[in-house]
Amino acid sequence: DAEITQSPRHKITETGRQVTLACHQTWNHNNMFWYRQDLGHGLRLIHYSYGVQDTNKGEVSDGYSVSRSNTEDLPLTLESAASSQTSVYFCASSGAGTSGSYEQYFGPGTRLTVT
Amino acid sequence: EDQVTQSPEALRLQEGESSSLNCSYTVSGLRGLFWYRQDPGKGPEFLFTLYSAGEEKEKERLKATLTKKESFLHITAPKPEDSATYLCAASGAGSYQLTFGKGTKLSVIP
Repeated sequence: DAEITQSPRHKITETGRQVTLACHQTWNHNNMFWYRQDLGHGLRLIHYSYGVQDTNKGEVSDGYSVSRSNTEDLPLTLESAASSQTSVYFCASSGAGTSGSYEQYFGPGTRLTVT
Repeated sequence: EDQVTQSPEALRLQEGESSSLNCSYTVSGLRGLFWYRQDPGKGPEFLFTLYSAGEEKEKERLKATLTKKESFLHITAPKPEDSATYLCAASGAGSYQLTFGKGTKLSVIP
């Protein structure tokens, strides 16, 4: 069955360190998204990609970057981790609507703590 | 700016007590309205997509409906296993991005 996986599931890091969160999907979806989820804010879009070599900034992109070198993977990098980036991070993917549907399917999440 | 607002924030129901969750949206040229279920410690799970006013979709005890300004998730005779946070999201014309509401936390008491 197709799926979307994230690793690690839990991560503790120190302020100022670079951190990369992995996202891998086997849906063969063109579209991939990164969100963060915080109490009181809901899901907020960080970055998204509509295909290989395509990346775009979302609502809360400061301090984050992504790169898309293949269809399956969209790693999220925190350039210099800050305590404000302590959160739960979700990756999602969707089709391009050619079959009429473009709902997003989510991974299990990565809980990141910055100390 | 697209906005999605869900109410109530939290809802406690007795088992078998039917109710509705509300999602109001302000989106330029609605392309789709989405409902998700999220259990603690897990990623959101897709439930429904609604595309146009008047559309309805059902799955077990859940029925989603759509008007030009709102969507409702009706829960009929809920069971404790329906306890979860329900998220609503919308996408606008020409966009695959979703704007999410903050969710409604549903608790069904046996």
